[in-house]
Amino acid sequence: EPEVTQTPSHQVTQMGQEVILRCVPISNHLYFYWYRQILGQKVEFLVSFYNNEISEKSEIFDDQFSVERPDGSNFTLKIRSTKLEDSAMYFCASTPGTGGVTYEQYFGPGTRLTVT
Amino acid sequence: DAKTTQPNSMESNEEEPVHLPCNHSTISGTDYIHWYRQLPSQGPEYVIHGLTSNVNNRMASLAIAEDRKSSTLILHRATLRDAAVYYCILRSGANSKLTFGKGITLSVRP
Repeated sequence: EPEVTQTPSHQVTQMGQEVILRCVPISNHLYFYWYRQILGQKVEFLVSFYNNEISEKSEIFDDQFSVERPDGSNFTLKIRSTKLEDSAMYFCASTPGTGGVTYEQYFGPGTRLTVT
Repeated sequence: DAKTTQPNSMESNEEEPVHLPCNHSTISGTDYIHWYRQLPSQGPEYVIHGLTSNVNNRMASLAIAEDRKSSTLILHRATLRDAAVYYCILRSGANSKLTFGKGITLSVRP
């Protein structure tokens, strides 16, 4: 069964450094998402991406964040200057995107980001 | 987004049915009811969704009240692997984001 993959599984970085989290969505999917989950808290939406542009973003997704689909298979989340409060589990998700609300989102296993 | 309300937690015995309730009294006519679950240390996983009629799939059943103000996720025979946080989520837009609440934590006793 096709699945969403994410690398790395765990990333440790120092405050102020840039990080890039990588995701490979399911190959024929058209909509891509990033969510995060701070330890012990709810899963929070960050951004959705379709047709090479952001379709929606949350208040969390400020100028420090960016997303890109550089090569038709990878979907990346970049944090330019990490803060301690960016420490969280980051989940990528994708959906076929051709039918509307009835499509399920397929989630990856997540990348644990630790900012020290 | 319309809001859902779930109990914080529920316990079940292995191999017994489990009914997980969700209230969504402000649901709109175009909202679909989705259920996802999150096993420990994993990403969320789709379980089931519905609009008005009850739905069954290999994982679970979804019973939707006639007025659509509540729904119940039914696991017919709980296993230890079903221990997870279950989220009831309303979605109204095409390919819209998922708005997660705290969900209900299901514990399964052997």
